[in-house]
Amino acid sequence: RKEVEQDPGPFNVPEGATVAFNCTYSNSASQSFFWYRQDCRKEPKLLMSVYSSGNEDGRFTAQLNRASQYISLLIRDSKLSDSATYLCVVAFTGGGNKLTFGTGTQLKVEL
Amino acid sequence: DVKVTQSSRYLVKRTGEKVFLECVQDMDHENMFWYRQDPGLGLRLIYFSYDVKMKEKGDIPEGYSVSREKKERFSLILESASTNQTSMYLCASSLPGQGASGARFGPGTRLTVL
Repeated sequence: RKEVEQDPGPFNVPEGATVAFNCTYSNSASQSFFWYRQDCRKEPKLLMSVYSSGNEDGRFTAQLNRASQYISLLIRDSKLSDSATYLCVVAFTGGGNKLTFGTGTQLKVEL
Repeated sequence: DVKVTQSSRYLVKRTGEKVFLECVQDMDHENMFWYRQDPGLGLRLIYFSYDVKMKEKGDIPEGYSVSREKKERFSLILESASTNQTSMYLCASSLPGQGASGARFGPGTRLTVL
């Protein structure tokens, strides 16, 4: 079983739609959680951290369910510029702060 | 603008060559990482370092070694390049404990081994 699992997509959605991505992780000792965004042929960039209480940054909302070992990202009012691959990332401090990545979910926002 | 830089964006080498990939960060980060990224497999950790002269194996260290002589520089070495090491190599750095900062990545080096 992969440490971090994501649906690879692609998710093709019209502009203005709401889209949600899910991610599960296997290491119950994981301590930090993130969503990264990666554009084609570019490096991954931090989109947002994920907190147990849930957190929001503009059109983006992230949720964490530790009991189910599940992370989600919700994008409201999708823009063309949101088209990218979204990577779910988990960190375990006891493992030297290394980040474990999911394989990513591809989003395509269309006119 | 703080950043992570990698010595080459594109590199072509022949089987059996020794290859050096260099990574430099100017953020005074203690942690540095080398990942490779392949279609369908995502980013996989090769090696990481949490201090000068310290190194830890990641998930796929075979065929690679690393060097961290200075805090800002972390080198990945392919002792004898093979075609299955053709990949995108990404360097990253972070502060200890991560917190909300996550890691900052370099632009990547696309290595082709012929």
